[in-house]
Amino acid sequence: GEDVEQSLFLSVREGDSSVINCTYTDSSSTYLYWYKQEPGAGLQLLTYIFSNMDMKQDQRLTVLLNKKDKHLSLRIADTQTGDSAIYFCADASGNTGKLIFGQGTTLQVKP
Amino acid sequence: NAGVTQTPKFQVLKTGQSMTLQCAQDMNHNSMYWYRQDPGMGLRLIYYSASEGTTDKGEVPNGYNVSRLNKREFSLRLESAAPSQTSVYFCASSEKGGGADTQYFGPGTRLTVL
Repeated sequence: GEDVEQSLFLSVREGDSSVINCTYTDSSSTYLYWYKQEPGAGLQLLTYIFSNMDMKQDQRLTVLLNKKDKHLSLRIADTQTGDSAIYFCADASGNTGKLIFGQGTTLQVKP
Repeated sequence: NAGVTQTPKFQVLKTGQSMTLQCAQDMNHNSMYWYRQDPGMGLRLIYYSASEGTTDKGEVPNGYNVSRLNKREFSLRLESAAPSQTSVYFCASSEKGGGADTQYFGPGTRLTVL
């Protein structure tokens, strides 16, 4: 089946940029998503990118998509302690609405 | 507007017991989903309901059943709980279930099976 992979942990200093990476195997991906999960909470959609786009920017968030290499990244500028959370990459294949999630990257922001 | 609500928040079961996890959404969404989250494995789809009256298996359906009671409610039943079903369960809903259709998640149910 299709697969989505992420590194498990990233630690940065407050004010630095964070880059969280994701790779996927699905050749028919239509949309790719980034979700954020704070401790003890559900998932909150951060942003998404359509598969025919290379980049999307939304305030402090920049999503880069390399469709040839099936590589997605999320850059958070000026990372704050409130950004500490688990970040999930998810792939929507076709038009079913079903999502395949990566394992999640825990972002630790040190003051 | 509460979004997606789940009950209970926490549950401890003994092996072999049964229980139903409840989920409701007040956003008039057509599609609803049940996921389980295990450490280091992300979220895996158990069952989903594209619209009222329909349900389909996801990636890990064994040991579970679902009921789409009406447009608002989608329940997940464990008939005979096993320790392997210890997990955090999330319900989600989306407007129409396709394309750039944002899924909204509930707060989760933390289930432990002893």
